[in-house]
Amino acid sequence: AQRVTQPEKLLSVFKGAPVELKCNYSYSGSPELFWYVQYSRQRLQLLLRHISRESIKGFTADLNKGETSFHLKKPFAQEEDSAMYYCALVGAGGYNKLIFGAGTRLAVHP
Amino acid sequence: DAMVIQNPRYQVTQFGKPVTLSCSQTLNHNVMYWYQQKSSQAPKLLFHYYDKDFNNEADTPDNFQSRRPNTSFCFLDIRSPGLGDAAMYLCATSRAAMNTEAFFGQGTRLTVV
Repeated sequence: AQRVTQPEKLLSVFKGAPVELKCNYSYSGSPELFWYVQYSRQRLQLLLRHISRESIKGFTADLNKGETSFHLKKPFAQEEDSAMYYCALVGAGGYNKLIFGAGTRLAVHP
Repeated sequence: DAMVIQNPRYQVTQFGKPVTLSCSQTLNHNVMYWYQQKSSQAPKLLFHYYDKDFNNEADTPDNFQSRRPNTSFCFLDIRSPGLGDAAMYLCATSRAAMNTEAFFGQGTRLTVV
């Protein structure tokens, strides 16, 4: 079965603290993985994709096939990082259809 | 500039009364998607189109239908809305390529009374 699990509904940290949003997946084969973010009153948008191995707004995510994880990390959280974060996997069949986790709300306090 | 536009933003419909949600795009993407998102849950794919080729998810209820008259527009029809269909409905588009970004609309929040 293809599935994405985000175990934390809410992650609350103080500004400047490190952040790790967890994501585990279930997929046979080589997964295409993404992190999408939704800021307050804005549309869902791409944050980063594993294939690019990029850092966006200070966030990075490393694919760990052994642990089937794709955790999102940032060393020093900022208040503007407060948002809903969704981990997503491209499902088999069809065209680039995304299977989302339930999301983690990140709250960064001053 | 908004690239994926959903109308209306909020829709209230009566139990059992057919309702249509609309989505348009200016990106000229081949693929368009409809997701349903209930409170505190993951967005769930209902169906998607590659051009006019319709792909239904196995667990999408028959109550949900879709039309794509051209590249730019896509509609979600709910034939007989029930209380359980109250949700946020998200439209998205993408190119048909690997590891490509999906672009989402603002969503339509459907209330069934």
